[in-house]
Amino acid sequence: NAGVMQNPRHLVRRRGQEARLRCSPMKGHSHVYWYRQLPEEGLKFMVYLQKENIIDESGMPKERFSAEFPKEGPSILRIQQVVRGDSAAYFCASSPDNSGNTIYFGEGSWLTVV
Amino acid sequence: AQSVAQPEDQVNVAEGNPLTVKCTYSVSGNPYLFWYVQYPNRGLQFLLKYITGDNLVKGSYGFEAEFNKSQTSFHLKKPSALVSDSALYFCAVGPFGQNFVFGPGTRLSVLP
Repeated sequence: NAGVMQNPRHLVRRRGQEARLRCSPMKGHSHVYWYRQLPEEGLKFMVYLQKENIIDESGMPKERFSAEFPKEGPSILRIQQVVRGDSAAYFCASSPDNSGNTIYFGEGSWLTVV
Repeated sequence: AQSVAQPEDQVNVAEGNPLTVKCTYSVSGNPYLFWYVQYPNRGLQFLLKYITGDNLVKGSYGFEAEFNKSQTSFHLKKPSALVSDSALYFCAVGPFGQNFVFGPGTRLSVLP
């Protein structure tokens, strides 16, 4: 059973470009979470999704950031018009439900904006 | 709102000595408590969790944690530290979804 798969692992973008980060949850998991880890900071919640629904996006910046989890395919975190401050590690996690079962994290996607 | 505190940014311990990484929490209701470890440039690995049951929880890699309700703490412990335990440790409180909150992290350095 493959774990949470994220790609790309490393992504370099110039300011103003778009970044797309993908997350395939563990098999059987329908809940996906995105977290951002800024240099020297902890993990900050961004968004919580179930299939085709955004449950909570209270941690998402109001502009340029969006997320989706379509019926088929991976969850996508999209950052438009990237700026240097978007440089961070973005972690995806999945769980089968939100009952308290452990959530499992992917290896992360490191975005560098130059 | 739920919150988690890890009062120490850095913990240094000699190899072979016992280690403790501290965590305190604030929740309404019964807490779901977790510890994760992060090695450089890697994702988070689950170590252990407390939902209900025995206050002493045993987890991966020889780690354990003790849930103390009166002190609202969930300290991570290991009887004998290894150099390979050097990493960033995160305490977190659930349940999942909207309110799954991580502490700021504690960097553990085990010195040979």
